[in-house]
Amino acid sequence: AQSVTQPDIHITVSEGASLELRCNYSYGATPYLFWYVQSPGQGLQLLLKYFSGDTLVQGIKGFEAEFKRSQSSFNLRKPSVHWSDAAEYFCAVGAPNTGNQFYFGTGTSLTVIP
Amino acid sequence: KAGVTQTPRYLIKTRGQQVTLSCSPISGHRSVSWYQQTPGQGLQFLFEYFSETQRNKGNFPGRFSGRQFSNSRSEMNVSTLELGDSALYLCASGPSMRLGEQYFGPGTRLTVT
Repeated sequence: AQSVTQPDIHITVSEGASLELRCNYSYGATPYLFWYVQSPGQGLQLLLKYFSGDTLVQGIKGFEAEFKRSQSSFNLRKPSVHWSDAAEYFCAVGAPNTGNQFYFGTGTSLTVIP
Repeated sequence: KAGVTQTPRYLIKTRGQQVTLSCSPISGHRSVSWYQQTPGQGLQFLFEYFSETQRNKGNFPGRFSGRQFSNSRSEMNVSTLELGDSALYLCASGPSMRLGEQYFGPGTRLTVT
């Protein structure tokens, strides 16, 4: 069965500092991996996705993520955090040919302090 | 292009009642998926519809059902509401069943008292 673990429930960073959010997945084959962001009162917005190929993927809002098969990880990074990045971040995994069925992690809440 | 619309945005129901939530996908999208989001269980997949047919179903009891109309609009129904059904219900639409092309709506906040 597929599963996703986000070890950090809450992270606080200073504005301008770098950010790394951790995500570990469990899946028998190469999964499809995603990062979503959710602001209060909003739905989920796709930041980036990995299907295959280059293991470093670029997303919107200056985010990037690296797929590491050996570590079953797909960590999200941003070199310089802005106050507007404060939100809840979800890592998700999906399997090819199963439609739009995602398995989400429990999320990491990001606080940005000035 | 308008985004995914969910109505109502907020809803309060009493235990034992039933509820119907509506989702209008982005124009041209034929896939609609539903998720339940709670603090305890996180985001869980309910079901997906494509061209009026249920294509995938998550691990929820039969009290949770859905349907999709010919215009791709979708409804989900929860019968015999329980306190534990209180959640944010998110709908997502996509042009196909290919992962990662979904766009999420703002959700319907259901409170069961």
